Order: sequence, then C-alpha cells, then structure tokens
Amino acid sequence: QKEVEQNSGPLSVPEGAIASLNCTYSDRGSQSFFWYRQYSGKSPELIMSIYSNGDKEDGRFTAQLNKASQYVSLLIRDSQPSDSATYLCAVKGAGSYIPTFGRGTSLIVHP
Amino acid sequence: GAVVSQHPSWVICKSGTSVKIECRSLDFQATTMFWYRQFPKQSLMLMATSNEGSKATYEQGVEKDKFLINHASLTLSTLTVTSAHPEDSSFYICSASTGSQETQYFGPGTRLLVL
Repeated sequence: QKEVEQNSGPLSVPEGAIASLNCTYSDRGSQSFFWYRQYSGKSPELIMSIYSNGDKEDGRFTAQLNKASQYVSLLIRDSQPSDSATYLCAVKGAGSYIPTFGRGTSLIVHP
Repeated sequence: GAVVSQHPSWVICKSGTSVKIECRSLDFQATTMFWYRQFPKQSLMLMATSNEGSKATYEQGVEKDKFLINHASLTLSTLTVTSAHPEDSSFYICSASTGSQETQYFGPGTRLLVL
C-alpha cells in the first residue's frame, strides 16, 4: 500500500522565520510530487510541483526532492501569518493518475 | 489558467432527498476528475475517480449506488448524493487533471448539510 507520511503538527514558527515541512513516501517508483495549501474551510490550492531530484524555487517557496531517501520537503522563507494553513503533500507513481495525499501538516505563523 | 468550479458552493437539504453537485474545468479539458470528501479537522478522503466517458472507479467503502458519478464530457463531472442522510453532511471537493502526470487542480468545494 502506497503511503505518504507527514507530521500533523502544528508546526509553529515566528513571523519572518523559515518554515520547513517534510513528507516521506513509501513507493520508490513515485515520479510526481506536489505541495498544496489548504486554509481552514477551503479546498486545497496548488503551491508547486516537483519531478526531479534537487531544489525548485518559486518565490518564497522551495521544494526539495530526494528520491533516494524518499522524501520531499517544502521550505517557506520569510513566513507570514497568512501562511498559516495545512500543507498537503501528494505523490503520484509512474503512469498513475491517482495521487496519494498525506494527512497534512498544520503550520502556524505567529506575529 | 487551470480553473475548476463547483456548484453549488453550499446546500442544505432534508434527509431522504438527493443532491447533485457539478464540477467543471473552465479552461482546460479534464480527462480525469476526482471526488473527495472531507470531514471537519480530517484529511481528504478520495471517494472516486472518473474518466470521461467511462464508469467511475470507487474507493473501497464508498457506495457507488449512493454516490452517483457522471463524467459525460471533458469539462463536466457530477456527483449525486442519493437519499442523503445527516451522516452524509460533509465538504465535497472535486479536482481535475489532464493526464497521468499532470497536476490536479481543485474546485472550491461544496458544503453539504443534511437535516
């Protein structure tokens, strides 16, 4: 059974700090990795996707993928209170159109 | 781009009635659509996956006769909750993608309250 693990948190960081969110997955053949943000009472919204080992940066967000160690992380620089949300990691295997979602990590950025 | 809409955004109905929720991809053709349910403070639960023109594939434990899914076109999928009961009250979210490696884009969700 394919599993995606995330620490449920909450992860609490002060405003302006770097928030680091981690995700591990069990399927070594996984090819596509996604980070979503979900505000309370809202649906998930895509932050970024990553497919290759290494770092991918988009504004204040950096996704890091290490397929050998089977983890993917999301760094949020200069965290803002508006970043407070649940962050979902999603992983898809090769040729699969059904992603497996983690349970999400709750992030709280306090002023 | 990649906008997915859902209608209605919320619905209140009496127990025993049926409720239809529409999910549309507005600016792309969605070969695959997904239906999720999320209870308060809980994670997303995949209910079913549908490909245009095919029968939906339901996840284990999801009653296909209760949750009817139709994906008649590349831009529209519907979920009908038949004979809804209070325990069906939840946040129903659809998402759409264009292929096996493509990103999933979520609709805004439909909040269902069954009295």
